[in-house]
Amino acid sequence: QKEVEQNSGPLSVPEGAIASLNCTYSDRGSQSFFWYRQYSGKSPELIMFIYSNGDKEDGRFTAQLNKASQYVSLLIRDSQPSDSATYLCAVRDTGNQFYFGTGTSLTVIP
Amino acid sequence: NAGVTQTPKFQVLKTGQSMTLQCAQDMNHNSMYWYRQDPGMGLRLIYYSASEGTTDKGEVPNGYNVSRLNKREFSLRLESAAPSQTSVYFCASSERWGATYGYTFGSGTRLTVV
Repeated sequence: QKEVEQNSGPLSVPEGAIASLNCTYSDRGSQSFFWYRQYSGKSPELIMFIYSNGDKEDGRFTAQLNKASQYVSLLIRDSQPSDSATYLCAVRDTGNQFYFGTGTSLTVIP
Repeated sequence: NAGVTQTPKFQVLKTGQSMTLQCAQDMNHNSMYWYRQDPGMGLRLIYYSASEGTTDKGEVPNGYNVSRLNKREFSLRLESAAPSQTSVYFCASSERWGATYGYTFGSGTRLTVV
């Protein structure tokens, strides 16, 4: 069983701080990595995807991938109360199957 | 607005009843998926349709059937509902199988089986 592991949290950060969300995966052959944001009672919304080792930045969000360590992270700079949500990590394997983590709950405190 | 539309949004069923969840997308996507989301379990794939005319089982297909009616529509049927099927169901679509750019999700159906 392929696994995607996330710390369920809750993770609390003050407004304006950097929130760091982490994800590890078991399938070394995984190809693509995705971060979704899910507000309570709503559907997941794609934030970013990353394929290559290193960093990828989009506004206040930075995804970081380290395939050797089988580790992907999401940094949220200048966190806002509107960033309070559950963040899901998803991994696409060599067979194009997606596996989702159970999510990390983030609370940004004003 | 373009996207994935699911109906109904809420449903309560009695054990043994049947129902069909409807999903339609207007993004001209080739691939469609049905997921269920349960607390502590994450999103689990029930069935998917890589392209019009094909359907395949995902991780948790037991108790469900699907129909890819056309390129836009993908329905999920519960023939005899059980309490274990109480969950939030999400339909999703992607440009093609493999979802290079990820999925677009519908708003979800909250199903309770009593």
